[in-house]
Amino acid sequence: DQQVKQNSPSLSVQEGRISILNCDYTNSMFDYFLWYKKYPAEGPTFLISISSIKDKNEDGRFTVFLNKSAKHLSLHIVPSQPGDSAVYFCAASAGVSGGYQKVTFGTGTKLQVIP
Amino acid sequence: KAGVTQTPRYLIKTRGQQVTLSCSPISGHRSVSWYQQTPGQGLQFLFEYFSETQRNKGNFPGRFSGRQFSNSRSEMNVSTLELGDSALYLCASSLSAGTSEAFFGQGTRLTVV
Repeated sequence: DQQVKQNSPSLSVQEGRISILNCDYTNSMFDYFLWYKKYPAEGPTFLISISSIKDKNEDGRFTVFLNKSAKHLSLHIVPSQPGDSAVYFCAASAGVSGGYQKVTFGTGTKLQVIP
Repeated sequence: KAGVTQTPRYLIKTRGQQVTLSCSPISGHRSVSWYQQTPGQGLQFLFEYFSETQRNKGNFPGRFSGRQFSNSRSEMNVSTLELGDSALYLCASSLSAGTSEAFFGQGTRLTVV
């Protein structure tokens, strides 16, 4: 049962345009959401996060939007740059018994920014 | 500050063998999580250790096991390797089990032949 879904395995965008990566989740207990970026042969690196009490978080060119009623979040990259070409993972976190957080990752979306 | 270190980076094993992977978290981090990444499957959670205790476990068979030492370094072991175990195994460290932002190592690429 995939609780965090990234339905687009790949996305191509022209340099300078907006990249929009989407993520859907099914578990209403998720209360913290993260995006990670992964280059080939490297581990994922944290990009941006958002708490369920917010609907938007912005950090430079990256903005994450959260729609709790639709159980949907998206990552916007504006303007897109060739160096943004990577696999982007959406992740969601929920508290489990004992107060520990368990993070669930999506399957990833490969973004290609074309110069 | 050194990042998360995983050894070895690459490994080739034959079916039926066992393998041990190592992860040294960022100094001061006490939580270590392990993930398996295969094409099309994303990052599948294996288990999480905090203060030498396994706190969370994913849906993997008992052939996959792990442990954490007093210095927070962690090892994961896979016994009776199968071809389908070929994957990138990633370790992530966090300050505590309640912290959501994790720092990943570069991973160990395991190939089972």
